[in-house]
Amino acid sequence: GENVEQHPSTLSVQEGDSAVIKCTYSDSASNYFPWYKQELGKGPQLIIDIRSNVGEKKDQRIAVTLNKTAKHFSLHITETQPEDSAVYFCAASITYNNDMRFGAGTRLTVKP
Amino acid sequence: EAGVAQSPRYKIIEKRQSVAFWCNPISGHATLYWYQQILGQGPKLLIQFQNNGVVDDSQLPKDRFSAERLKGVDSTLKIQPAKLEDSAVYLCASSSTGRGGELFFGEGSRLTVL
Repeated sequence: GENVEQHPSTLSVQEGDSAVIKCTYSDSASNYFPWYKQELGKGPQLIIDIRSNVGEKKDQRIAVTLNKTAKHFSLHITETQPEDSAVYFCAASITYNNDMRFGAGTRLTVKP
Repeated sequence: EAGVAQSPRYKIIEKRQSVAFWCNPISGHATLYWYQQILGQGPKLLIQFQNNGVVDDSQLPKDRFSAERLKGVDSTLKIQPAKLEDSAVYLCASSSTGRGGELFFGEGSRLTVL
């Protein structure tokens, strides 16, 4: 089955700096790669996703890049703000949500 | 639009006891998922329903875990008997295939097994 690895496990940045989180996956058949943000005591919430026919997608301060050849994808957050502090999870699945596998998560702390 | 509802939010039991968690998905969402999230790890899929049929339960420990989704709406996840390693947050999520890939998660039910 699919195996998703995520790095780093913790990340601390100064407000206004950029943050990058990286994930690799094992199953070349995977074609859907979402990113979820989880705040304390809450369920994960989708912030951005990308499908395998696209190399990059951007939504305001958040962007995701995908390299299918290398089987890795990354989340980029620019101009970080304290409210970006949370745990971020990457995930991969073969079809939309079937058998979706999550990474172990990255705890992002943005210092004011 | 009301979100995914879960109860109870917290449960503390002793090992070998049983526990049940309830989930009500977003209205109209055909697909319902139960995930187990152990502290410091990503969510792990336990079971996926499409309407009231099981799509995937390959990672469900069937000797102690069971789940049902009667009438294709709300769902119950049961653990009997519980083990210490079952301590985790149990997340319910739903999705509407008509809206692409987004999973909508509830706030979770935190289980502590003593």
